[in-house]
Amino acid sequence: EEQLVQSGAEVKKPGESLKISCKGSGYSFNTYWIGWVRQMPGKGLEWMGIIYPGDSDTKYSPSFQGQVIFSVDRSISTAYLQWTSLKASDTAMYYCVRHDLRLWGQGTLVTVSS
Amino acid sequence: EIVMTQSPATLSMSPGERATLSCRASQSVKSHLAWYQQKPGQAPRLLIYDASNRATGIPARFSGSGSGTEFTLTISSLQSEDFAVYYCQQYYNWPWPFGQGTRVEIK
Repeated sequence: EEQLVQSGAEVKKPGESLKISCKGSGYSFNTYWIGWVRQMPGKGLEWMGIIYPGDSDTKYSPSFQGQVIFSVDRSISTAYLQWTSLKASDTAMYYCVRHDLRLWGQGTLVTVSS
Repeated sequence: EIVMTQSPATLSMSPGERATLSCRASQSVKSHLAWYQQKPGQAPRLLIYDASNRATGIPARFSGSGSGTEFTLTISSLQSEDFAVYYCQQYYNWPWPFGQGTRVEIK
């Protein structure tokens, strides 16, 4: 069965760093781009960007360029979304999605609060 | 950057009725458009890709149409499980924005 399984919910303070994960299984992980989507509380979906596990080629949406970092570890079929200094406005649900749009992770809730 | 605009924001319908949701792109996206359904507490689910192709396992009451800048998602006869939020997304031009969503609620 094809799956994207994301890491669990996180509660962090402003200024802290964070890396959340998205592990693929049941398909050839290295041959599909992985995208990230943000959904702030009570709001719509925002496309953050995409990374190709095969060579780590990355494209960020303009709104997220410089705000987050995408990475992958091909050896464990896992993509990552990272922040170096969280803000309260980063509080949201984050989804990973395979680039054919058919396969979604279950989401990781990130809460940033002092 | 392409902007996706969905209408209406909310659709109040009764079970069994036909629902028509619209999505407009600020410039042509050809047929590179997807529709999703999202229920509370769940990840989005792909319904339609390439404007008119149903994804695997999606019931035939869901259909998509359109090309260029105007797109429509039709639910032919609303079932109780169809009350949810629906989003469109273009994937023709980077950065692949979503529309703001249409909430289909029970009248």
